[in-house]
Amino acid sequence: EVKLVESGGGLVQPGRSLKLSCAASGFSFNDYWMGWVRQAPGKGLEWIGEINQDSSTINYIPSLKDKFTISRDNAQNTLYLQMSKLGCEDTAIYYCARRYGTFDYWGQGVMVTVSS
Amino acid sequence: DILMTQTPVSLPVSLGGQVSISCRSSQSLLHSDGNTYLHWYLQKPGQSPQLLIYRVSNRFSGVPDRFSGSGSGTDFTLKISRVEPEDLGVYSCLQSTHFPNTFGAGTKLELK
Repeated sequence: EVKLVESGGGLVQPGRSLKLSCAASGFSFNDYWMGWVRQAPGKGLEWIGEINQDSSTINYIPSLKDKFTISRDNAQNTLYLQMSKLGCEDTAIYYCARRYGTFDYWGQGVMVTVSS
Repeated sequence: DILMTQTPVSLPVSLGGQVSISCRSSQSLLHSDGNTYLHWYLQKPGQSPQLLIYRVSNRFSGVPDRFSGSGSGTDFTLKISRVEPEDLGVYSCLQSTHFPNTFGAGTKLELK
Protein backbone atom coordinates (compact mmCIF):
# COMPACT_ATOMS: atom_id res chain seq x y z
CA GLU A 1 0.00 0.00 0.00
CA VAL A 2 1.35 3.40 -1.00
CA LYS A 3 1.65 5.62 2.03
CA LEU A 4 2.83 9.22 2.31
CA VAL A 5 3.03 10.88 5.70
CA GLU A 6 3.88 14.56 6.05
CA SER A 7 5.29 16.09 9.20
CA GLY A 8 6.96 19.25 10.43
CA GLY A 9 4.05 21.66 10.22
CA GLY A 10 2.85 24.03 12.89
CA LEU A 11 2.74 27.67 13.89
CA VAL A 12 5.62 29.82 12.68
CA GLN A 13 6.25 33.55 12.86
CA PRO A 14 6.41 35.67 9.71
CA GLY A 15 9.88 35.80 8.19
CA ARG A 16 10.94 32.52 9.75
CA SER A 17 11.73 29.19 8.10
CA LEU A 18 10.22 25.73 8.35
CA LYS A 19 11.11 22.36 6.88
CA LEU A 20 8.46 19.79 6.04
CA SER A 21 9.13 16.10 5.59
CA CYS A 22 7.20 13.42 3.75
CA ALA A 23 7.93 9.80 4.61
CA ALA A 24 7.10 7.39 1.81
CA SER A 25 6.44 3.68 2.02
CA GLY A 26 4.78 0.91 0.04
CA PHE A 27 6.56 1.63 -3.24
CA SER A 28 10.03 2.04 -4.64
CA PHE A 29 10.58 5.69 -3.72
CA ASN A 30 13.64 6.21 -5.90
CA ASP A 31 11.71 5.23 -9.04
CA TYR A 32 9.28 8.14 -8.89
CA TRP A 33 9.09 11.88 -9.27
CA MET A 34 7.63 13.47 -6.15
CA GLY A 35 5.98 16.82 -5.58
CA TRP A 36 4.33 19.27 -3.24
CA VAL A 37 0.92 20.93 -3.49
CA ARG A 38 -0.66 23.35 -1.03
CA GLN A 39 -4.15 24.55 -0.21
CA ALA A 40 -4.80 27.81 1.61
CA PRO A 41 -7.85 27.85 3.92
CA GLY A 42 -11.03 27.79 1.85
CA LYS A 43 -9.07 27.98 -1.40
CA GLY A 44 -8.15 25.72 -4.29
CA LEU A 45 -5.07 23.60 -4.81
CA GLU A 46 -1.76 25.17 -5.82
CA TRP A 47 1.10 23.24 -7.38
CA ILE A 48 4.38 24.14 -5.65
CA GLY A 49 6.91 22.01 -7.44
CA GLU A 50 8.39 18.61 -8.07
CA ILE A 51 11.67 16.69 -8.08
CA ASN A 52 12.84 13.83 -10.22
CA GLN A 53 14.23 10.52 -9.09
CA ASP A 54 17.89 11.51 -8.67
CA SER A 55 17.28 15.18 -7.79
CA SER A 56 18.86 16.33 -11.04
CA THR A 57 15.66 18.14 -12.08
CA ILE A 58 13.63 20.27 -9.70
CA ASN A 59 10.79 22.48 -10.92
CA TYR A 60 9.09 25.21 -8.93
CA ILE A 61 6.20 27.52 -9.47
CA PRO A 62 8.07 30.77 -10.30
CA SER A 63 6.46 32.79 -7.50
CA LEU A 64 7.97 30.45 -4.88
CA LYS A 65 11.29 29.61 -6.46
CA ASP A 66 13.31 31.94 -4.22
CA LYS A 67 11.54 30.90 -1.01
CA PHE A 68 11.02 27.15 -1.21
CA THR A 69 13.49 24.31 -1.81
CA ILE A 70 12.48 20.77 -2.62
CA SER A 71 14.87 17.92 -1.90
CA ARG A 72 14.81 14.20 -1.26
CA ASP A 73 16.79 11.48 0.47
CA ASN A 74 16.29 8.22 -1.39
CA ALA A 75 18.12 6.24 1.29
CA GLN A 76 15.55 7.44 3.82
CA ASN A 77 12.56 7.36 1.43
CA THR A 78 11.85 10.93 2.40
CA LEU A 79 10.86 14.07 0.52
CA TYR A 80 11.47 17.53 1.95
CA LEU A 81 10.18 21.06 1.52
CA GLN A 82 12.35 23.80 3.00
CA MET A 83 10.39 27.01 3.31
CA SER A 84 12.00 30.35 4.10
CA LYS A 85 10.86 33.98 4.51
CA LEU A 86 7.40 32.75 5.34
CA GLY A 87 4.51 35.16 5.11
CA CYS A 88 0.85 35.00 6.07
CA GLU A 89 0.06 34.05 2.47
CA ASP A 90 1.92 30.78 3.01
CA THR A 91 -0.61 29.60 5.58
CA ALA A 92 -1.98 26.41 4.08
CA ILE A 93 -2.21 22.65 4.21
CA TYR A 94 0.83 21.21 2.46
CA TYR A 95 0.50 17.90 0.66
CA CYS A 96 3.22 15.71 -0.73
CA ALA A 97 2.30 13.50 -3.64
CA ARG A 98 3.80 10.84 -5.82
CA ARG A 99 4.03 11.73 -9.48
CA TYR A 100 3.43 9.10 -12.13
CA GLY A 101 2.14 11.02 -15.09
CA THR A 102 0.15 13.04 -12.62
CA PHE A 103 -0.07 13.11 -8.85
CA ASP A 104 -1.57 9.70 -8.19
CA TYR A 105 -1.12 9.25 -4.44
CA TRP A 106 -1.25 12.01 -1.83
CA GLY A 107 -0.39 12.29 1.81
CA GLN A 108 -2.92 13.41 4.39
CA GLY A 109 -1.38 16.88 4.49
CA VAL A 110 0.23 19.00 7.18
CA MET A 111 -0.96 22.41 8.33
CA VAL A 112 1.40 25.37 8.34
CA THR A 113 0.17 28.54 10.02
CA VAL A 114 2.21 31.71 9.63
CA SER A 115 1.24 34.22 12.28
CA SER A 116 2.78 36.44 14.91
CA ASP B 1 0.19 30.55 -16.53
CA ILE B 2 -2.67 28.45 -17.88
CA LEU B 3 -5.98 29.46 -16.36
CA MET B 4 -8.31 26.57 -15.59
CA THR B 5 -11.94 27.61 -15.32
CA GLN B 6 -14.35 25.19 -13.71
CA THR B 7 -18.11 25.47 -13.82
CA PRO B 8 -20.29 25.40 -11.93
CA VAL B 9 -18.80 26.44 -8.62
CA SER B 10 -21.51 24.56 -6.74
CA LEU B 11 -23.57 21.66 -8.01
CA PRO B 12 -26.58 20.39 -6.07
CA VAL B 13 -27.46 16.80 -6.88
CA SER B 14 -29.93 14.15 -5.84
CA LEU B 15 -28.61 10.72 -4.97
CA GLY B 16 -28.88 8.50 -8.01
CA GLY B 17 -28.75 11.45 -10.36
CA GLN B 18 -26.27 12.40 -13.05
CA VAL B 19 -24.10 15.51 -13.20
CA SER B 20 -21.46 17.09 -15.42
CA ILE B 21 -18.60 19.36 -14.44
CA SER B 22 -16.83 21.52 -16.98
CA CYS B 23 -13.18 22.51 -17.02
CA ARG B 24 -11.89 24.94 -19.64
CA SER B 25 -8.27 25.94 -20.15
CA SER B 26 -6.93 29.23 -21.47
CA GLN B 27 -4.73 27.36 -23.95
CA SER B 28 -4.86 23.99 -25.61
CA LEU B 29 -3.71 21.15 -23.37
CA LEU B 30 -2.55 19.01 -26.27
CA HIS B 31 1.13 18.30 -25.62
CA SER B 32 3.70 18.03 -28.39
CA ASP B 33 3.99 14.32 -27.52
CA GLY B 34 0.38 13.83 -28.59
CA ASN B 35 -1.04 13.39 -25.09
CA THR B 36 -3.42 15.71 -23.28
CA TYR B 37 -2.50 16.06 -19.63
CA LEU B 38 -5.82 16.93 -18.03
CA HIS B 39 -6.72 15.13 -14.82
CA TRP B 40 -9.59 15.11 -12.34
CA TYR B 41 -9.48 14.86 -8.55
CA LEU B 42 -12.04 14.53 -5.79
CA GLN B 43 -11.42 15.97 -2.36
CA LYS B 44 -13.87 14.60 0.17
CA PRO B 45 -14.48 16.67 3.30
CA GLY B 46 -11.48 16.58 5.60
CA GLN B 47 -9.45 14.42 3.22
CA SER B 48 -6.64 14.87 0.75
CA PRO B 49 -7.36 14.89 -2.99
CA GLN B 50 -7.72 11.55 -4.71
CA LEU B 51 -7.10 10.91 -8.38
CA LEU B 52 -10.16 9.93 -10.36
CA ILE B 53 -9.32 10.42 -14.04
CA TYR B 54 -5.95 10.91 -15.70
CA ARG B 55 -5.19 12.12 -19.22
CA VAL B 56 -8.77 13.16 -19.95
CA SER B 57 -10.56 9.85 -19.87
CA ASN B 58 -8.60 7.14 -18.04
CA ARG B 59 -10.06 5.98 -14.75
CA PHE B 60 -7.53 5.52 -11.97
CA SER B 61 -7.28 2.21 -10.14
CA GLY B 62 -10.42 1.45 -8.14
CA VAL B 63 -12.48 4.31 -9.55
CA PRO B 64 -15.96 3.10 -10.47
CA ASP B 65 -17.21 3.34 -14.03
CA ARG B 66 -19.85 5.82 -12.89
CA PHE B 67 -17.09 8.37 -13.44
CA SER B 68 -16.15 9.29 -16.99
CA GLY B 69 -14.03 12.01 -18.52
CA SER B 70 -14.05 13.47 -21.99
CA GLY B 71 -12.89 16.44 -23.99
CA SER B 72 -10.02 17.79 -26.01
CA GLY B 73 -8.08 20.95 -26.64
CA THR B 74 -9.41 23.44 -24.14
CA ASP B 75 -12.76 21.96 -23.18
CA PHE B 76 -13.17 19.03 -20.80
CA THR B 77 -16.00 17.38 -18.90
CA LEU B 78 -16.30 15.03 -15.96
CA LYS B 79 -19.57 13.10 -15.78
CA ILE B 80 -20.82 11.28 -12.73
CA SER B 81 -23.78 8.97 -13.09
CA ARG B 82 -25.85 7.35 -10.35
CA VAL B 83 -24.39 9.69 -7.72
CA GLU B 84 -23.71 8.04 -4.37
CA PRO B 85 -23.13 9.67 -0.98
CA GLU B 86 -19.37 8.99 -1.16
CA ASP B 87 -19.17 11.09 -4.33
CA LEU B 88 -19.85 14.32 -2.46
CA GLY B 89 -16.98 16.76 -2.14
CA VAL B 90 -14.94 19.15 -4.26
CA TYR B 91 -13.87 18.16 -7.77
CA SER B 92 -10.81 19.83 -9.27
CA CYS B 93 -9.18 19.57 -12.66
CA LEU B 94 -5.42 19.79 -13.10
CA GLN B 95 -3.42 20.49 -16.23
CA SER B 96 0.15 19.24 -16.41
CA THR B 97 0.78 19.93 -20.09
CA HIS B 98 2.20 23.37 -19.44
CA PHE B 99 4.58 24.72 -16.82
CA PRO B 100 3.61 25.53 -14.14
CA ASN B 101 0.90 22.97 -13.57
CA THR B 102 -2.38 24.62 -12.59
CA PHE B 103 -5.59 23.50 -10.94
CA GLY B 104 -9.14 24.65 -11.43
CA ALA B 105 -10.77 26.39 -8.48
CA GLY B 106 -13.02 23.44 -7.80
CA THR B 107 -16.67 22.41 -8.06
CA LYS B 108 -18.49 21.46 -4.89
CA LEU B 109 -20.88 18.57 -5.36
CA GLU B 110 -23.48 18.65 -2.63
CA LEU B 111 -26.88 17.21 -1.90
CA LYS B 112 -29.89 19.04 -3.22
